[in-house]
Amino acid sequence: GQQLNQSPQSMFIQEGEDVSMNCTSSSIFNTWLWYKQDPGEGPVLLIALYKAGELTSNGRLTAQFGITRKDSFLNISASIPSDVGIYFCAGLESSASKIIFGSGTRLSIRP
Amino acid sequence: EAGVAQSPRYKIIEKRQSVAFWCNPISGHATLYWYQQILGQGPKLLIQFQNNGVVDDSQLPKDRFSAERLKGVDSTLKIQPAKLEDSAVYLCASSLSYGYTFGSGTRLTVV
Repeated sequence: GQQLNQSPQSMFIQEGEDVSMNCTSSSIFNTWLWYKQDPGEGPVLLIALYKAGELTSNGRLTAQFGITRKDSFLNISASIPSDVGIYFCAGLESSASKIIFGSGTRLSIRP
Repeated sequence: EAGVAQSPRYKIIEKRQSVAFWCNPISGHATLYWYQQILGQGPKLLIQFQNNGVVDDSQLPKDRFSAERLKGVDSTLKIQPAKLEDSAVYLCASSLSYGYTFGSGTRLTVV
């Protein structure tokens, strides 16, 4: 089946730094989604992207839908302690309403 | 609006025992999903319901896993008999369109 390659697997950064992570696929997706998962909770939707080239912001978060429709990135500006968690990219298959998840990027922050 | 409710939150069983998880989706959400999330990985779709019909169960290990959604609302996921590799968080999600809402999950430990 389709797979999403998400990188990096983990990040350990200083508070206040900007963060960047990305996701690539061998197949085209019509929709890209970015989720955050805190320990003991289900993933929570951060940003949804519906069109190739689309750039969308949600507070300090910015995500882009790649022109080729096979990739997406998420940026977090001026990271704060509550940004800690696991970030998942996800793609919506064109032929169904099934969402495929990447393997996640674990973000840790030094205070 | 109330979120997706799941129970129990935690379950520990011995291998070869059976276990059942329950999910109550957001009111009005026709589509319901069960995902399996193994530690360190992204969620993997097990089964997708549209109302009370199965849309996709291609990744469900049908020799031991079963799921139903009677009356198109609540759903139960059962494992019988459980294996050690079934240890994971089982997430339920529901949606109207894109961007699912996830429950907090049931953490299953098989010993």
